[in-house]
Amino acid sequence: LAKTTQPISMDSYEGQEVNITCSHNNIATNDYITWYQQFPSQGPRFIIQGYKTKVTNEVASLFIPADRKSSTLSLPRVSLSDTAVYYCLVGDMEGKLIFGQGTELSVKP
Amino acid sequence: ETGVTQSPTHLIKTRGQQVTLRCSSQSGHNTVSWYQQALGQGPQFIFQYYREEENGRGNFPPRFSGLQFPNYSSELNVNALELDDSALYLCASSLNQGAAGYTFGSGTRLTVV
Repeated sequence: LAKTTQPISMDSYEGQEVNITCSHNNIATNDYITWYQQFPSQGPRFIIQGYKTKVTNEVASLFIPADRKSSTLSLPRVSLSDTAVYYCLVGDMEGKLIFGQGTELSVKP
Repeated sequence: ETGVTQSPTHLIKTRGQQVTLRCSSQSGHNTVSWYQQALGQGPQFIFQYYREEENGRGNFPPRFSGLQFPNYSSELNVNALELDDSALYLCASSLNQGAAGYTFGSGTRLTVV
C-alpha cells in the first residue's frame, strides 16, 4: 500500500481557502485517493475521494495531477468548525484503510 | 438511517484483564472494521469482517480477536491487556469494501492501568 506524507499542522483564519497537499509517490494503478476528517473524540468522517483530475462536492475539492504522485485537498472559506485533523489515504477498493498521522488544521477567528 | 454505535464509550481495565467492545453497524452495512487509535496518532487497522468471516488483519497479536454476528454487529475482544493497549478503539462499517463508504462510530476509550 502506498505511503502518504502530509504536513503535520497548518494554521488558517476564518474565511480563507485552505489547501492541504499530500504526497504519495508510490501510488499504484488501482489506488484511489481518499480524504477523511476527524474531530476530537469522534471517528473519522469521509470527505472526498478521487482517482485523477479534479473532484468537487459540497464540502471540498480534490485536485490530482496527471502523475497522481500527489493530491491537494481544498477547503473553501473555512470556519472555526473546520478545525480538525485531516487524513489522506491511498489504497484500492479492497478494504482496510491505512491512516498516516494526518494534518492538524487550526482555524482562528 | 442510524449510524454506527459503539459501547461502552469509556472503560477502565487492569493490566492482564480481558475486555469486550461492541459495535452496531449502520443499517444495511455488511462489512465491519476495527481500528486502534493511540493519542496523537492516526487510526491503525486491526481487522475486518465481511459477512461474518475475517477477511483482513493488521499487525496485531492474536490476543486481539473479533466476531461478526448474523445481524452484522461485531465484537472486539482483547485478552491479557497491556498498558499500551490504552487507546480509542474505532469501529467502521460499510456496504462492501470501498474506501469511500466507511462510516465510523465515535469509539470506545479504553484505559488500562
